[in-house]
Amino acid sequence: EAGVTQFPSHSVIEKGQTVTLRCDPISGHDNLYWYRRVMGKEIKFLLHFVKESKQDESGMPNNRFLAERTGGTYSTLKVQPAELEDSGVYFCASSQGFIRNTEAFFGQGTRLTVV
Amino acid sequence: AQSVTQPDIHITVSEGASLELRCNYSYGATPYLFWYVQSPGQGLQLLLKYFSGDTLVQGIKGFEAEFKRSQSSFNLRKPSVHWSDAAEYFCAVVPSAEGAGSYQLTFGKGTKLSVIP
Repeated sequence: EAGVTQFPSHSVIEKGQTVTLRCDPISGHDNLYWYRRVMGKEIKFLLHFVKESKQDESGMPNNRFLAERTGGTYSTLKVQPAELEDSGVYFCASSQGFIRNTEAFFGQGTRLTVV
Repeated sequence: AQSVTQPDIHITVSEGASLELRCNYSYGATPYLFWYVQSPGQGLQLLLKYFSGDTLVQGIKGFEAEFKRSQSSFNLRKPSVHWSDAAEYFCAVVPSAEGAGSYQLTFGKGTKLSVIP
């Protein structure tokens, strides 16, 4: 069974450009989460989808970040325009039930560097 | 404010030595507790979790953790470390009561483990 897949694995972009990260969850997992780790800091929650609906987007830093999950399958996280402070590792996770009840499986992460 | 503290940023142990990674939490009520590991080039993998019951929890890869309510701690242990255990370890919590924030993990800053052959 395939795990959570994220791509690209690395992305280097210039400040002001747009980047789109993609996450393919484990098939059948209704719950999809995005997290981010800025260097030296904790891994922080960004948002949570249940199928195609945003259950909780309280962790999204600002309106330069847009997450979508069309059809309740894969998800994209777009940063437009990117700023230097957006650099970090973006993790995606999926789970069959809510994360407090079932195991969440994480992808390898996308390392985003904004220069 | 609710928080998770991992006081050790980096720990180095010799192969075969015992290991204890510390985790303390600050929450109104005892949350659900987790330990994750991230090996180089890999995603986070769940080692073990505590919801209730027996305070000594067994996990994968020979790890265990002990929940101590009086100390608000959930320390991770392994009796004999292997070189393949070199990785970064994250303690995480989820509120046990449903409500705001109860569907998201809150992580500590992580502890990087180096193993000397």
